[in-house]
Amino acid sequence: DQQVKQNSPSLSVQEGRISILNCDYTNSMFDYFLWYKKYPAEGPTFLISISSIKDKNEDGRFTVFLNKSAKHLSLHIVPSQPGDSAVYFCAASPSGNTGKLIFGQGTTLQVKP
Amino acid sequence: KAGVTQTPRYLIKTRGQQVTLSCSPISGHRSVSWYQQTPGQGLQFLFEYFSETQRNKGNFPGRFSGRQFSNSRSEMNVSTLELGDSALYLCASSLVSAKSTGELFFGEGSRLTVL
Repeated sequence: DQQVKQNSPSLSVQEGRISILNCDYTNSMFDYFLWYKKYPAEGPTFLISISSIKDKNEDGRFTVFLNKSAKHLSLHIVPSQPGDSAVYFCAASPSGNTGKLIFGQGTTLQVKP
Repeated sequence: KAGVTQTPRYLIKTRGQQVTLSCSPISGHRSVSWYQQTPGQGLQFLFEYFSETQRNKGNFPGRFSGRQFSNSRSEMNVSTLELGDSALYLCASSLVSAKSTGELFFGEGSRLTVL
């Protein structure tokens, strides 16, 4: 029972263009949604989050959109840079007050110079 | 501010052995969670400790256990190792409060290989 799904294992974009990473979830009780970035041989690092009561959150080049009716969220990176090449994980929190996150399978983003 | 520290970074064991992994959280963080990352399964939640008590548990067999000490440092143990236990084990700490948004701070992980 996979409650958080990232259906695209990989994505390739040109430097300077927009990267859009998608994530679907099944549990409408999730409180927060987060995106993490992971480089090889490193732990995941937090990128951006959004509360379930909002539909958009922006931080510099990163914007997360939440569509609760579709149970879908997306991460937009504009403009994409070669240093953004990494694995991106979508995660959902049943409650912001715990250390338990439900992660998607990850999407490998490659940004070509 | 020091990050989350995990030891050892790499280890090799044989089937049937047991292993203990250690995690030191960020100073002031009282919640420590453990995750298993494998190529096919992504990151899967093992358990969470808060104030020396396990308060969340994932869907893993009883061979996987953990504990937390009074200084918030945590250990996880896997007994009777199986080949399928080969994975990257990640520890994460968080500052749990009423204003928390679920953000976790991860260590670099302990890469376990079971032969």
